[in-house]
Amino acid sequence: QKEVEQNSGPLSVPEGAIASLNCTYSDRGSQSFFWYRQYSGKSPELIMSIYSNGDKEDGRFTAQLNKASQYVSLLIRDSQPSDSATYLCAVKENRGSQGNLIFGKGTKLSVKP
Amino acid sequence: DAGVIQSPRHEVTEMGQEVTLRCKPISGHDYLFWYRQTMMRGLELLIYFNNNVPIDDSGMPEDRFSAKMPNASFSTLKIQPSEPRDSAVYFCASSLGVAGTNEQFFGPGTRLTVL
Repeated sequence: QKEVEQNSGPLSVPEGAIASLNCTYSDRGSQSFFWYRQYSGKSPELIMSIYSNGDKEDGRFTAQLNKASQYVSLLIRDSQPSDSATYLCAVKENRGSQGNLIFGKGTKLSVKP
Repeated sequence: DAGVIQSPRHEVTEMGQEVTLRCKPISGHDYLFWYRQTMMRGLELLIYFNNNVPIDDSGMPEDRFSAKMPNASFSTLKIQPSEPRDSAVYFCASSLGVAGTNEQFFGPGTRLTVL
């Protein structure tokens, strides 16, 4: 059973701090990784994708990937109350063209003003 | 573009009744996905289609669930008969390109309650 594990939280950080969200996955052959944000009562929306080892930055967001450790993380700099949401880590199965995304259960982030 | 459209947004039904959820994907997208989200199990893929053809239905829980995509702009997920454990939020998503590689755009979801 392929798994994507996340700490459910809640993770509470003060406004302006760095929020660090972590994710581990079991499928060693996975090549594509995503972070989705889901506000309460809303649908998930993509915020970052990463395919190569290392860091990928987009504005206040940085995704980090370490395939050897099977570890993906998301850093949110200068956290804002509007970042309060559940963050879902998603990993593409290593099943060729048929592989789809496996989602973690999400980490709930709360940014306190 | 209007995004992925789902109906109904909320559905309350009694155990044993048939439930039909509907989805209109983003125009031009060739992949359509049905997911179910619960607190206990998170977001789970039920089935996905490529160019209207079902590709992977291994996530469909049992024979009570069925999904169809008669054309590129419409899909249904049917539960017959429904059970209380089917209560969840059901999301439809669509994407362009290889499954799981490109961004999936989610609809607003249908919150299903089975009494």
